[in-house]
Amino acid sequence: GQQVQQSPASLVLQEGENAELQCNFSSTATQLQWFYQSPGGSLVSLLSNPSGTKHTGRLTSTTVTKERRSSLHISSSQTTDSGTYLCAIDLANSAGNKLTFGIGTRVLVRP
Amino acid sequence: EAGVTQSPRYAVLQEGQAVSFWCDPISGHDTLYWYQQPRDQGPQLLVYFRDEAVIDNSQLPSDRFSAVRPKGTNSTLKIQSAKQGDTATYLCASSFWGGSYEQYFGPGTRLTVL
Repeated sequence: GQQVQQSPASLVLQEGENAELQCNFSSTATQLQWFYQSPGGSLVSLLSNPSGTKHTGRLTSTTVTKERRSSLHISSSQTTDSGTYLCAIDLANSAGNKLTFGIGTRVLVRP
Repeated sequence: EAGVTQSPRYAVLQEGQAVSFWCDPISGHDTLYWYQQPRDQGPQLLVYFRDEAVIDNSQLPSDRFSAVRPKGTNSTLKIQSAKQGDTATYLCASSFWGGSYEQYFGPGTRLTVL
């Protein structure tokens, strides 16, 4: 089965709404990163959060390691937040170097 | 500080042709990764290096793909005899081994094999 599962697969928001994206993974992880990818664009690292809660700007990530899940909360969404959000973890105790990605959550924010 | 740079940005080939992709990591980053990202999927690790040494190439199709990093800085990924199934974006990333392990990605090379 898929080792990193993200939900929902897609999300449509009205500008100003909040959103919560989920990432569930099949084994313990020592590294977890959330990335943003614009359509046709590269990956931009948003947060590195293997455990606990981290904030940056309008983004908050909470990772509960023992439950093998992480969430990314986007507050007060803007049209420029549209794109794909990817969760990646290191599996198989690879000392943090071998990231396995989920398929991503596609977010569309309408004006 | 310059980010990860890659070239070319786009490549279009006929099946059977060869292509090379080039990556320049962030200065000081000793670990370099190559990923393949098919359309509508997440990136999948092909190979990664620490300095000039290959650490893991288990997902690299060795019959047609090769990757080198001879001086532990820039790297080249080559596809011999490309197939339509190789159509994807090829991403390079770098990180500092023993640091936070955060990986930083380049803009990618979008490959189309006709």
